[in-house]
Amino acid sequence: KNQVEQSPQSLIILEGKNCTLQCNYTVSPFSNLRWYKQDTGRGPVSLTIMTFSENTKSNGRYTATLDADTKQSSLHITASQLSDSASYICVVNTGGFKTIFGAGTRLFVKA
Amino acid sequence: SQTIHQWPATLVQPVGSPLSLECTVEGTSNPNLYWYRQAAGRGLQLLFYSVGIGQISSEVPQNLSASRPQDRQFILSSKKLLLSDSGFYLCAWSRGATNTGELFFGEGSRLTVL
Repeated sequence: KNQVEQSPQSLIILEGKNCTLQCNYTVSPFSNLRWYKQDTGRGPVSLTIMTFSENTKSNGRYTATLDADTKQSSLHITASQLSDSASYICVVNTGGFKTIFGAGTRLFVKA
Repeated sequence: SQTIHQWPATLVQPVGSPLSLECTVEGTSNPNLYWYRQAAGRGLQLLFYSVGIGQISSEVPQNLSASRPQDRQFILSSKKLLLSDSGFYLCAWSRGATNTGELFFGEGSRLTVL
């Protein structure tokens, strides 16, 4: 069964601190993996895309990693800001119209 | 630039009433269009997708239907709402003939069925 599991479910950190969100997937076939940021009550917005051959990709303070052998990805946020408070969703695409979404990690950044 | 509009943003409907959510995309042609539902604490669930006018694929049997009367218009409907239809509905589009591309989401519609 195609699944995307994210951990932790929720996370509280202080402003300025770093954090890492985890994503494990059992999806086949694999086309790409994206991390989306979803602000409360809004639609998700793509942060990064990882293909099978990519290990690391950065987008500003966001750095995503992918280990295709263990089927794990992580999203590292550096020097967190209050505006980083949101849900972060790991999404795996199989190459067709089957896009498998994780339940998301809810991040709270406190001043 | 491309934009996606979805409305209404929120609505409260009684059980048994009809539903119509509308989504339009601007700035692109022949997009793939999608309707997702997001339940609290769960991943987005694909309800319908469309690769062209009048072409609708349903992913999950349910009380809902979708239509694409124009290239950049996607409508989610129900004849009689159920309590279980409550949720956050998201319209999205993607480019091209395949779905390996980025999904661009609308702002969402919060539906509460009472």
